[in-house]
Amino acid sequence: GAVVSQHPSRVICKSGTSVKIECRSLDFQATTMFWYRQFPKQSLMLMATSNEGSKATYEQGVEKDKFLINHASLTLSTLTVTSAHPEDSSFYICSASDLTANYGYTFGSGTRLTVV
Amino acid sequence: AQTVTQSQPEMSVQEAETVTLSCTYDTSESDYYLFWYKQPPSRQMILVIRQEAYKQQNATENRFSVNFQKAAKSFSLKISDSQLGDAAMYFCAYTSAGNMLTFGGGTRLMVKP
Repeated sequence: GAVVSQHPSRVICKSGTSVKIECRSLDFQATTMFWYRQFPKQSLMLMATSNEGSKATYEQGVEKDKFLINHASLTLSTLTVTSAHPEDSSFYICSASDLTANYGYTFGSGTRLTVV
Repeated sequence: AQTVTQSQPEMSVQEAETVTLSCTYDTSESDYYLFWYKQPPSRQMILVIRQEAYKQQNATENRFSVNFQKAAKSFSLKISDSQLGDAAMYFCAYTSAGNMLTFGGGTRLMVKP
């Protein structure tokens, strides 16, 4: 089946630095990539939606200058957390949509970000 | 805006027994898709079952089945012959036309040996 590879699985960074998270669709072309954030014991909250070659669409309340999303190809999307602060510590998950698979969604394994 | 509600924050079931997780949603669309996802401690999201709104027949995947009541906007998940490996967070989700998934708040399922 479809696979989305997400890296890194865990990252610890110092406050003020930037961190990049990658999601690659390994065996299909990801028409759309969704980025979610999940706090402990809570549901997934959509941060932004990106289509290949277009600017990402951010959900209300999500700072687009802090969470930079790039979807330069049909197989790669990146989320960069810029000038990270402890409150950015969270679990980030990407999900790729492959419309050729009849609206199938495939999730990455997630990235646990800790900002110290 | 579409909303998805899971009214049971936690559920418990004895191994080998049956449990039903509830989900309701609100939408003005007539064509949409509903999903149940499982999130074990590894936090990998795993698709359990999916239902197309235009299909009247309830979806079934081995021990997992749904009760889809379109008029009532209800989409419950039944797990039969519960196993220890079924213990996880379960999320109900909705989408229309390939847009984003909207998730419910989740139900933590515990399976007692």
